[in-house]
Amino acid sequence: SQQGEEDPQALSIQEGENATMNCSYKTSINNLQWYRQNSGRGLVHLILIRSNEREKHSGRLRVTLDTSKKSSSLLITASRAADTASYFCATDVRQAGTALIFGKGTTLSVSS
Amino acid sequence: DAGVIQSPRHEVTEMGQEVTLRCKPISGHDYLFWYRQTMMRGLELLIYFNNNVPIDDSGMPEDRFSAKMPNASFSTLKIQPSEPRDSAVYFCASRVTNEQFFGPGTRLTVL
Repeated sequence: SQQGEEDPQALSIQEGENATMNCSYKTSINNLQWYRQNSGRGLVHLILIRSNEREKHSGRLRVTLDTSKKSSSLLITASRAADTASYFCATDVRQAGTALIFGKGTTLSVSS
Repeated sequence: DAGVIQSPRHEVTEMGQEVTLRCKPISGHDYLFWYRQTMMRGLELLIYFNNNVPIDDSGMPEDRFSAKMPNASFSTLKIQPSEPRDSAVYFCASRVTNEQFFGPGTRLTVL
């Protein structure tokens, strides 16, 4: 069953704009990760935020985590055409040990 | 390191045939995961191994699916007999810390 659900399912923006994607999950987690998948490729790890962290930055990426609401957001600032991809959140569910449960993803399209 | 290697990249087969997908994890990684990705169901965890031992195979859809990891550098996912609904992209991933490294996937089409 899906643990994480991303919102929106699809997002279209212009280059230079910011893109915000949200993820909600159902059960307690150890950490939450975001991955990117370019068309026809495997997933690539972007950033990990632990359950005791509230915000984390990596370059143009900003991730927040609200464990009380069981939600996370990924913000990509000053987007570029190369950011066009699908973005997935994945949770390290305590009960499942080390396995990651992925959401269905947000498809981001950045036009120049 | 070359990353996670999967073969074949594309496989087209007929219903009822046996299909074997192969994966070589990154050297030194002690966890290996098999996923299946479809438009309808998204990315599903099928099975994962730790130090070559299967830990959780609850995601394997049916007895037609089996996976092995005979050593630290090789794993197979076998479907026998294959059915059209098995058509999907199958990913292998490995890890040693929290970050998972994915292979390029095998696109399986069962006619």
